[in-house]
Amino acid sequence: AQSVAQPEDQVNVAEGNPLTVKCTYSVSGNPYLFWYVQYPNRGLQFLLKYITGDNLVKGSYGFEAEFNKSQTSFHLKKPSALVSDSALYFCAVRDWNSGTYKYIFGTGTRLKVLA
Amino acid sequence: EAGVTQSPTHLIKTRGQQATLRCSPISGHTSVYWYQQALGLGLQFLLWYDEGEERNRGNFPPRFSGRQFPNYSSELNVNALELEDSALYLCASSLSTSGHEQFFGPGTRLTVL
Repeated sequence: AQSVAQPEDQVNVAEGNPLTVKCTYSVSGNPYLFWYVQYPNRGLQFLLKYITGDNLVKGSYGFEAEFNKSQTSFHLKKPSALVSDSALYFCAVRDWNSGTYKYIFGTGTRLKVLA
Repeated sequence: EAGVTQSPTHLIKTRGQQATLRCSPISGHTSVYWYQQALGLGLQFLLWYDEGEERNRGNFPPRFSGRQFPNYSSELNVNALELEDSALYLCASSLSTSGHEQFFGPGTRLTVL
């Protein structure tokens, strides 16, 4: 079955340090992968996506993600964390099945950036 | 450009009642998705509408249903409400073809007493 996993419920990082939020996936065929962020009391916002092409994808707010086909991973990264990056992050994958598709979201990782 | 809007913001119902939630997509978007975000469970896919048709549904019972109108707005109906239906219901819209990112509304918080 198609799935996406975010193995860490919470990630703590000091301001100014690099951050990584992990995501692994399991799909048949070529994966379409996405990262979204949910700030407190606000809806989810799109950060970046991988459809095809360059394995390193750059997105909003200085975030980037690396698609690794052999490790079936799509980890979100940022070179220098800001306190304002503290939020809930969701990885998502397109699940294509029986001629239609849906998007499967991970359970989310709460990022806490400490001043 | 106006974003995805949802109404109402909050909805309180009792067990057995019906709830209707509404969503207006971004202008030009024909696809509307509904998700349930219960505490600690992430986003669970409910329904996908495109061009007025239901294209896919998640693993939810038939009492969760909806429709999409000619102007691409959508409503989600939940019949025979149960306590465990209490959650944040998110609507998202996108362009029609696969691979486009979704734009989310602020959600409707449904509380079932």
